[in-house]
Amino acid sequence: DGGITQSPKYLFRKEGQNVTLSCEQNLNHDAMYWYRQDPGQGLRLIYYSQIVNDFQKGDIAEGYSVSREKKESFPLTVTSAQKNPTAFYLCASSIVGGHYTFGSGTRLTVV
Amino acid sequence: AQSVTQLGSHVSVSEGALVLLRCNYSSSVPPYLFWYVQYPNQGLQLLLKYTTGATLVKGINGFEAEFKKSETSFHLTKPSAHMSDAAEYFCAVSLFYSGGGADGLTFGKGTHLIIQP
Repeated sequence: DGGITQSPKYLFRKEGQNVTLSCEQNLNHDAMYWYRQDPGQGLRLIYYSQIVNDFQKGDIAEGYSVSREKKESFPLTVTSAQKNPTAFYLCASSIVGGHYTFGSGTRLTVV
Repeated sequence: AQSVTQLGSHVSVSEGALVLLRCNYSSSVPPYLFWYVQYPNQGLQLLLKYTTGATLVKGINGFEAEFKKSETSFHLTKPSAHMSDAAEYFCAVSLFYSGGGADGLTFGKGTHLIIQP
């Protein structure tokens, strides 16, 4: 079955540590997205990519980095520069301009 | 730029009662509109979408929404609430097909639907 897989489901980060969240899709979608979700804030766009080897900053890109070396994969790194990284992170993919398919999310907690 | 406003961060209804979740948008061009549902610790699932054509859109699980251009609204309704409807609901707008902006959905802040037994 085609879908989008995020791993791990739960992740704990120590202060000052970089962590990478995985997102893989086998839907043959060109576009992929990372959103951050905080209670009462809805979803805010971190980065998106419409084609391999190209990506664009979203509304809250500071403290995050991404790569898009393969069509299927769009990993997100939460760097130590992100001062408040505790949140629920959602990855999505779509054909460009189409509706999104979402992963099941990764909950990141700073310890 | 487009924006989405969902009225009411929490809505509580009795089981069997009408569900009404409100969504208003602002857009300089005709938008594409979406409703998504999210269950705890899960991703978002598409309920329904409006692109063009019929303004009353039917979705999954008995939900429907009506696009009203004059009111810039896309409210979500369900005639009879079920306990399994308890979840977070997000309204979203996209301008991509209208040529109004870069790709990407803009989401409202969500409405938490509570079903009272």
